[in-house]
Amino acid sequence: QVQLQQWGAGLLKPSETLSLTCAVSSGSFSGYYWSWIRQPPGTGLEWIGEINHSGSTNYNPSLKSRVTISLDTSKNQFSLKLSSVTAADTAVYYCARSDYSSNWYDWGQGTLVTVSS
Amino acid sequence: QSVLTQPPSMSAAPGQKVTISCSGSSSNIGNNYVSWYQQFPGTAPKLLIYDNNKRPSGIPDRFSGSKSGTSATLGITGLQTGDEADYYCGTWDSSLSAGVFGGGTKLTVL
Repeated sequence: QVQLQQWGAGLLKPSETLSLTCAVSSGSFSGYYWSWIRQPPGTGLEWIGEINHSGSTNYNPSLKSRVTISLDTSKNQFSLKLSSVTAADTAVYYCARSDYSSNWYDWGQGTLVTVSS
Repeated sequence: QSVLTQPPSMSAAPGQKVTISCSGSSSNIGNNYVSWYQQFPGTAPKLLIYDNNKRPSGIPDRFSGSKSGTSATLGITGLQTGDEADYYCGTWDSSLSAGVFGGGTKLTVL
C-alpha cells in the first residue's frame, strides 16, 4: 500500500487550466498505472486517464482533447492538466494507483475543484 | 449515463444479506476483471473486491464478489449500520480503452 497526497488550485474561472499533482509516498512507479478519477457533486465516479512508468497514457475519450497526464519519477509525483474548463468540470478529483487489471488500490484524499466565474 | 449499470439504491435490515448487481457488456465486464469500492460521504473510495472475487488485506469476509458473463455482484452478509455507504463497481472497457464505473448504489441499513 502507498500513500497518495494530492494538491492543486481549488477555484478556477471558465477557460482556465486545471492543474493537480499527486505525490507517491514510496516504492517504484513500475508495475502500476497512475490514474486520475473525478466525482461531480452528488454523482458517481468518472475515470479521466492514467499513465504508467514508461509514460504510456490512456485517456477518457470524452476528455482526451483537453487532458494531459505526466509523470516525474525523480520527485515521485504525477500530474493532471485539464484545459479550457467549464462548470461541468466542477468535481472532486482523486489520484489513484491501479494495477494492469484496472483495480484501483490506493486513492488520494481528493481535491474539490470548482469552476465559476 | 454510466457504462456499467447498478441499482441506485438498496436497503436491508441489520444482520441480513444484500447483493448489489453491476451489469455491463462483453467489452467491459465480459472480458475484464471487476472491482468494487465502498465510499462514505466526504471520503475517497476504498477497494473492497479486486479481480472479481478477491479481498484486499483487512477487508472482512462478509464482503464477497462474483462474476458471470457480463454481470458482476457484490454480496454483503451480516449487515451492520456501519456498512451504510455508496458502492461502485469498476472495470476496463476494451472498446473505449478506458476505465469505467457503475453509477453507484446507495446502501441503507435500516
